[in-house]
Amino acid sequence: EAGVVQSPRYKIIEKKQPVAFWCNPISGHNTLYWYRQNLGQGPELLIRYENEEAVDDSQLPKDRFSAERLKGVDSTLKIQPAELGDSAVYLCASSSSGGDTGELFFGEGSRLTVL
Amino acid sequence: TQLLEQSPQFLSIQEGENLTVYCNSSSVFSSLQWYRQEPGEGPVLLVTVVTGGEVKKLKRLTFQFGDARKDSSLHITAAQPGDTGLYLCAGARGSRLTFGEGTQLTVNP
Repeated sequence: EAGVVQSPRYKIIEKKQPVAFWCNPISGHNTLYWYRQNLGQGPELLIRYENEEAVDDSQLPKDRFSAERLKGVDSTLKIQPAELGDSAVYLCASSSSGGDTGELFFGEGSRLTVL
Repeated sequence: TQLLEQSPQFLSIQEGENLTVYCNSSSVFSSLQWYRQEPGEGPVLLVTVVTGGEVKKLKRLTFQFGDARKDSSLHITAAQPGDTGLYLCAGARGSRLTFGEGTQLTVNP
């Protein structure tokens, strides 16, 4: 069974440019997460979806970040315009349970470098 | 503000040594998970502890959840180079999972 698939793996852009990341979760997983991870630190939640509904987006910087999960399957995270401080690894994860003991399955991440 | 504090932040030891990593918080969690992450990959779940005082063993790894469900520890016996990686604790409150900053472990042969 395929795991969580993310693309692109690497992206280098200049500041003020837009960028988008795509995530395909494990088949049948209703819960999808986007996390941001800075070098040497733990992941920080950006947004959590239950099916197509964003149920926790309190930490998403909504002035420049947006996300969607049309049809409740794959998801896209967009940054427009990107800033230098957005350089990080963007991790997508999925879970079969949105509850508090569910295991999260992570993709390999999309590493963003903003110049 | 990080709800979960991990210590130490970095740990470099020789093969065969024992070590303990700590995860502390002032908040109560309904459960706590430990993940390991290798370079260029996403975190992978090692264990979930749910009950206060619970101890789980996974081969040479022993995980303990504090009685008050605010803290946890990970003990590795006879560390091996393959144990090298970033160890992350994550606490669950409701449906939100919050990660600590991680402990970067390097086991030298």
